[in-house]
Amino acid sequence: GDSVTQMEGPVTLSEEAFLTINCTYTATGYPSLFWYVQYPGEGLQLLLKATKADDKGSNKGFEATYRKETTSFHLEKGSVQVSDSAVYFCALSGRGGSYIPTFGRGTSLIVHP
Amino acid sequence: NAGVMQNPRHLVRRRGQEARLRCSPMKGHSHVYWYRQLPEEGLKFMVYLQKENIIDESGMPKERFSAEFPKEGPSILRIQQVVRGDSAAYFCASSPQGATGELFFGEGSRLTVL
Repeated sequence: GDSVTQMEGPVTLSEEAFLTINCTYTATGYPSLFWYVQYPGEGLQLLLKATKADDKGSNKGFEATYRKETTSFHLEKGSVQVSDSAVYFCALSGRGGSYIPTFGRGTSLIVHP
Repeated sequence: NAGVMQNPRHLVRRRGQEARLRCSPMKGHSHVYWYRQLPEEGLKFMVYLQKENIIDESGMPKERFSAEFPKEGPSILRIQQVVRGDSAAYFCASSPQGATGELFFGEGSRLTVL
């Protein structure tokens, strides 16, 4: 079945550092890919998405590119802030099969001043 | 605020009691999903419902767990005879249609079983 693998956390960075959180997926067909963010004590919020190969999703300085050849959707940000500290979830929703989103385990990001 | 509303936010139960978690989807949304988040684990799908119908319950434990989304009122996730392993955060999400994968989440209900 469909699955998502994320790098394990926590990822600890200093403010203004470059961020990469790796995400790879396994799916049948051509899924849509998502990054969600969960701030402490809150529910998940959609951060960005990409619906087809080579699409780049972006929001709030975060970017991720849908790489079909490597089945990856890595999250990047050029300069993180303390307020970016949260848990980030990669997810997919499979066209041609179940549309129920499958989530990765989440990667905790801690940004120090 | 017309977001997804979950209640209670925190629920404490003793082993053997029943837990009922409620979810009101965003206005105009007719698709509801329940996920469970265990410590050190990701978000695990439990059940997907539309009004008066269970569409997919492949993630629901076969016993003690049930869900409904009646024509009127919130969706309810019911856990009977709770055990300590049921302690988790339960998230409800909604969407206006079922085929996009883009979900709107509530803040979750945190169940603690003593």
